[in-house]
Amino acid sequence: AQSVTQPDARVTVSEGASLQLRCKYSYSGTPYLFWYVQYPRQGLQLLLKYYSGDPVVQGVNGFEAEFIKSNSSFHLRKASVHWSDSAVYFCAVSAGVVGQLTFGRGTRLQVYA
Amino acid sequence: EAAVTQSPRNKVTVTGGNVTLSCRQTNSHNYMYWYRQDTGHGLRLIHYSYGAGNLQIGDVPDGYKATRTTQEDFFLLLELASPSQTSLYFCASSRDWGDYAEQFFGPGTRLTVL
Repeated sequence: AQSVTQPDARVTVSEGASLQLRCKYSYSGTPYLFWYVQYPRQGLQLLLKYYSGDPVVQGVNGFEAEFIKSNSSFHLRKASVHWSDSAVYFCAVSAGVVGQLTFGRGTRLQVYA
Repeated sequence: EAAVTQSPRNKVTVTGGNVTLSCRQTNSHNYMYWYRQDTGHGLRLIHYSYGAGNLQIGDVPDGYKATRTTQEDFFLLLELASPSQTSLYFCASSRDWGDYAEQFFGPGTRLTVL
């Protein structure tokens, strides 16, 4: 079975600073990896996804993530955050079986001016 | 843009009550899912379906029933609600079951069981 660990429950950064949200997964095969964002009082929205190819994948709103197989990691990055990026971010992994999209516990990002 | 709607957005019931949560998607997606979201647990899959009349069990199905009446509509039923089912419930849909398939989420239903 697969699992996802997001070690940081909360991250606080100032506007304009760079950001990295950590995600580590556990799965013996080749995973499908996702980052979702949840804005207040809304459902989850896909930021980016990765399966193969260039290990650095670009997403919406300037977000990117890097797949590092040797470290089983899929960290999310942004060069310069905006206050509107304040939200909860979820990393997820799919192991190739329909319906089995496993989510991490989420990281709440607070961006202050 | 995929559209998934849920109703009600908020619901309060008492222990032992009967609750139905509704979900509708209008993008002809084959797959629909019900998740619950609890602090410290992320999202956990309750049930899912790949078409009208079909139902599959997810990771945390105990205490829940579901029914897919049409391609658009997926319902989650709590027939004897308990306080442990107090949670935020999300419905999602996807076009197919491929691993790369993006799931589109509704806005959620907050359920409180007193």
